[in-house]
Amino acid sequence: KQEVTQIPAALSVPEGENLVLNCSFTDSAIYNLQWFRQDPGKGLTSLLLIQSSQREQTSGRLNASLDKSSGRSTLYIAASQPGDSATYLCAVSTTSGTYKYIFGTGTRLKVLA
Amino acid sequence: DGGITQSPKYLFRKEGQNVTLSCEQNLNHDAMYWYRQDPGQGLRLIYYSQIVNDFQKGDIAEGYSVSREKKESFPLTVTSAQKNPTAFYLCASSNNEQFFGPGTRLTVL
Repeated sequence: KQEVTQIPAALSVPEGENLVLNCSFTDSAIYNLQWFRQDPGKGLTSLLLIQSSQREQTSGRLNASLDKSSGRSTLYIAASQPGDSATYLCAVSTTSGTYKYIFGTGTRLKVLA
Repeated sequence: DGGITQSPKYLFRKEGQNVTLSCEQNLNHDAMYWYRQDPGQGLRLIYYSQIVNDFQKGDIAEGYSVSREKKESFPLTVTSAQKNPTAFYLCASSNNEQFFGPGTRLTVL
């Protein structure tokens, strides 16, 4: 059974720092991996989608990498800002065609001004 | 504007009542999902549907029911059989990349 883990559960950093969020999964037979952002009381916003054949994706200050063989993905945030404060979740889709996702419990990020 | 809408934003249920949460999407996505989110926990899958008139149970389907009569719509009914329904409910749709609605917060009085 696929399990997704995100460490740390919470993180506080000063503004301007570069940071890395981690996502681990137990079954490497994934179809894709997606990173989301969730603000308190809101729905999830899609940040980046990495297909299983890809190694990384970039959007602005965000870069996500995928290493299927080791069961790991990282989300790199450059030059963090207070507006980046949110909970970040990763999710893996394990079977082609069903688009069924397994979510991690998230990392709660606070960027201090 | 393309997206997913959920209504209502807040919902209050009395003991023994069934309530229905609405989810509509205009993204032309085949797959739709319902998740439940409790404080400090990740998202748990209730039901999902890959095509009209077909749906499958997720990990916590007991006490919930769904229908998928139209591609755009995937309503969720929380029945009186669900013993602890107070939670934040999220609807999503996907054609590979998954997108979410704003959520419905359900409280049992």
